[in-house]
Amino acid sequence: AQTVTQSQPEMSVQEAETVTLSCTYDTSESDYYLFWYKQPPSRQMILVIRQEAYKQQNATENRFSVNFQKAAKSFSLKISDSQLGDAAMYFCAYRSSQGGSEKLVFGKGTKLTVNP
Amino acid sequence: EAQVTQNPRYLITVTGKKLTVTCSQNMNHEYMSWYRQDPGLGLRQIYYSMNVEVTDKGDVPEGYKVSRKEKRNFPLILESPSPNQTSLYFCASSLTWTGDNGYTFGSGTRLTVV
Repeated sequence: AQTVTQSQPEMSVQEAETVTLSCTYDTSESDYYLFWYKQPPSRQMILVIRQEAYKQQNATENRFSVNFQKAAKSFSLKISDSQLGDAAMYFCAYRSSQGGSEKLVFGKGTKLTVNP
Repeated sequence: EAQVTQNPRYLITVTGKKLTVTCSQNMNHEYMSWYRQDPGLGLRQIYYSMNVEVTDKGDVPEGYKVSRKEKRNFPLILESPSPNQTSLYFCASSLTWTGDNGYTFGSGTRLTVV
């Protein structure tokens, strides 16, 4: 079964600085999808960025980018120019592209604090 | 506005009193799912549905029921709630079951069972 590990329960960053959140996963599949979700205090789950495993190029969405290392099964999230509104729980998630696994597998989350 | 709507947002109930948490999406999504979120455990899937009348168990289905009679609705039923079902619940949907575009989540339901 696939597993997702976020080794950093909590992280902090100064406003305007850059922070990287770690995520590793375990799978025997060659094709799959990876996601980062943000959960602010409002509890809403917000999709930040997604990566398709067959694509070599790392995904980027404005200040958010990933470092996808397929061989190492690593999928870290980099937040540049951190803003106070980035403070939230961040969840890494995996989804198989094959049938029989119709779910997102989530890590346990990393709580990000942004200091002014 | 495209969205997943969950109700209620907050619910306090007593052990054994049946309850239903509703979930509705207006995006014509085929796939819908329920998750529970607990501190230190992340989100775990309870049940999912790939289409109308097609439902299946997730990782933690004990004590829950679901139904999918219409494409837009996917209620979560707790026939006899117990304190260990106190949690934050999310409904989510995606266009297809492959979900390569990710999920759209509802706003969550905070359930407390006393």
